Amino acid sequence: AQSVAQPEDQVNVAEGNPLTVKCTYSVSGNPYLFWYVQYPNRGLQFLLKYITGDNLVKGSYGFEAEFNKSQTSFHLKKPSALVSDSALYFCAVRGSGSARQLTFGSGTQLTVLP
Amino acid sequence: NAGVMQNPRHLVRRRGQEARLRCSPVKGHSHVYWYRQLPEEGLKFMVYLQKENIIDESGMPKERFSAEFPKEGPSILRIQQVVRGDSAAYFCASSHGTGTNHNEQFFGPGTRLTVL
Repeated sequence: AQSVAQPEDQVNVAEGNPLTVKCTYSVSGNPYLFWYVQYPNRGLQFLLKYITGDNLVKGSYGFEAEFNKSQTSFHLKKPSALVSDSALYFCAVRGSGSARQLTFGSGTQLTVLP
Repeated sequence: NAGVMQNPRHLVRRRGQEARLRCSPVKGHSHVYWYRQLPEEGLKFMVYLQKENIIDESGMPKERFSAEFPKEGPSILRIQQVVRGDSAAYFCASSHGTGTNHNEQFFGPGTRLTVL
């Protein structure tokens, strides 16, 4: 069975400071990893994904994520946070087998303070 | 370039009634997924469909829930005899079916079901 853990329910950061949202995963075989963002009363928007290759993945809105196989982590990062980044962030994983459904973490509420 | 469309956005039902949730995938996408998000929780997979076929329904409750994706028209998630515990946001996602399974899924805005 595959699983995702987002250990922090809430992350607060000051505008202009770097931010990190943590994610660890468990999956059989090679992982396909995704980050999505959800704004209030909206659906999920895709930010970035790791499939293979370079461990540092760059995505939308200046976000990036670093895949660390030994630590089974895929933390989301941004060098300089904006107030508009405040939202709910979900990490998701899919194994490299035939199953296509995503397994999501419980989400991390990011608040960027002005 | 329309994304995934879901309707209705909000649905209120009384206990025992039926709820029908509709999802139109991104044009050209042949794979549809339904997820449920309970309050204060992440999304949980329910069912994965391709045109006219249910591929994986391992996340779907065995009773009262059904899903279809007909050759023509939207995908439908049907909940019969709703109970208060069915109150949640139901999200539909779609993806390409090009033979790989790492294509990102595009999500609709969700249908928020409230059971009175």
